[in-house]
Amino acid sequence: DAGVTQSPTHLIKTRGQQVTLRCSPKSGHDTVSWYQQALGQGPQFIFQYYEEEERQRGNFPDRFSGHQFPNYSSELNVNALLLGDSALYLCASRPGRDREQYFGPGTRLTVT
Amino acid sequence: QKEVEQNSGPLSVPEGAIASLNCTYSDRGSQSFFWYRQYSGKSPELIMSIYSNGDKEDGRFTAQLNKASQYVSLLIRDSQPSDSATYLCAVNRVGDMRFGAGTRLTVKP
Repeated sequence: DAGVTQSPTHLIKTRGQQVTLRCSPKSGHDTVSWYQQALGQGPQFIFQYYEEEERQRGNFPDRFSGHQFPNYSSELNVNALLLGDSALYLCASRPGRDREQYFGPGTRLTVT
Repeated sequence: QKEVEQNSGPLSVPEGAIASLNCTYSDRGSQSFFWYRQYSGKSPELIMSIYSNGDKEDGRFTAQLNKASQYVSLLIRDSQPSDSATYLCAVNRVGDMRFGAGTRLTVKP
């Protein structure tokens, strides 16, 4: 049984560009959340998707948007990249909105 | 006040000792609580979940929850060098999960 998968593993972008990160949840999981983790910090909640809709959102600007597909996979889009967006982006999935959550390996984004 | 607070550490214990990690949270409506372990350069790995007051044991790990005090702790018995990592406390509220900044633990041989 595959766990949570994310792609790509690493990404280097230039300030002002746009990026799309992808996530496939663990089998049987229908809820996907995205987190941003800066070096030395805990994961910061970006948003959560359930039934193809954004259900909860953290304190992130509208430059951060997402989508969930009928197969529960998800995308995170970030527009107008800033240097401060450089971080590890984590996707996590769970079987329902209040159960245990499992993380993918993350995408390391570097903005230059 | 931060939603989830942890001692940043670093916490250093000798091999074989008990490591004690603490966490407090601000939202009294929080219903479920989790501990994750994160090795350097890796993603967080779930090691314990706890949903009701009291203790929950799993192998060398014991999670403790006191909702009245808004306090969660993790005890690691017989600490091993492989336990050296950052431990993240996570609190679930209204469907989303919030994390503390983590406590860095070093177990010295």
